[in-house]
Amino acid sequence: NAGVMQNPRHLVRRRGQEARLRCSPMKGHSHVYWYRQLPEEGLKFMVYLQKENIIDESGMPKERFSAEFPKEGPSILRIQQVVRGDSAAYFCASSPRTGGAYEQYFGPGTRLTVT
Amino acid sequence: QKEVEQNSGPLSVPEGAIASLNCTYSDRGSQSFFWYRQYSGKSPELIMSIYSNGDKEDGRFTAQLNKASQYVSLLIRDSQPSDSATYLCAVRRDGGSQGNLIFGKGTKLSVKP
Repeated sequence: NAGVMQNPRHLVRRRGQEARLRCSPMKGHSHVYWYRQLPEEGLKFMVYLQKENIIDESGMPKERFSAEFPKEGPSILRIQQVVRGDSAAYFCASSPRTGGAYEQYFGPGTRLTVT
Repeated sequence: QKEVEQNSGPLSVPEGAIASLNCTYSDRGSQSFFWYRQYSGKSPELIMSIYSNGDKEDGRFTAQLNKASQYVSLLIRDSQPSDSATYLCAVRRDGGSQGNLIFGKGTKLSVKP
């Protein structure tokens, strides 16, 4: 599978627990973007990362949310002490570069449900 | 003020007709423009990208860009029931650390057999 991979596809957490979402970009892609889609809402940018660097986290809530893209392994979006309002679909996208004629391709998403 | 605006629809067209989807954006610094298709419960799928004024055709799809009017459109010719989905317009302001897409809320298209 050469596409963007995300796991788990579905995640259920109780309020106060931690959620860890993983994303492996397409082969040859070194730029990763996380987006969140709330029910009946549009896709909203959260964070943009390259290997070992956070490039832009302007869309990330200041508390409880963090992201990383280590030298080895997938990118991880971490949500601590989840609340019901965190229930959403979280999508990861990747591109080989940013800007210019470079396009972002999305993974299948992780549907997070907070009970 | 919303940055990317689309009619939410639903837009209903008969099979075989042309579906016309429109999008306006507020940031004049936007340089790259994209249309994604999203089926219910699925992830966005890239359909078209357009970077310069004018038309760009790919199969049954034509994207049109008018930067002066800050307007992007997508035409779907010979619409099929399988085209029924939500179509997302996205814009990107390139340069520096900016690489993220800004999405509209999408237009829901329904193609009736």
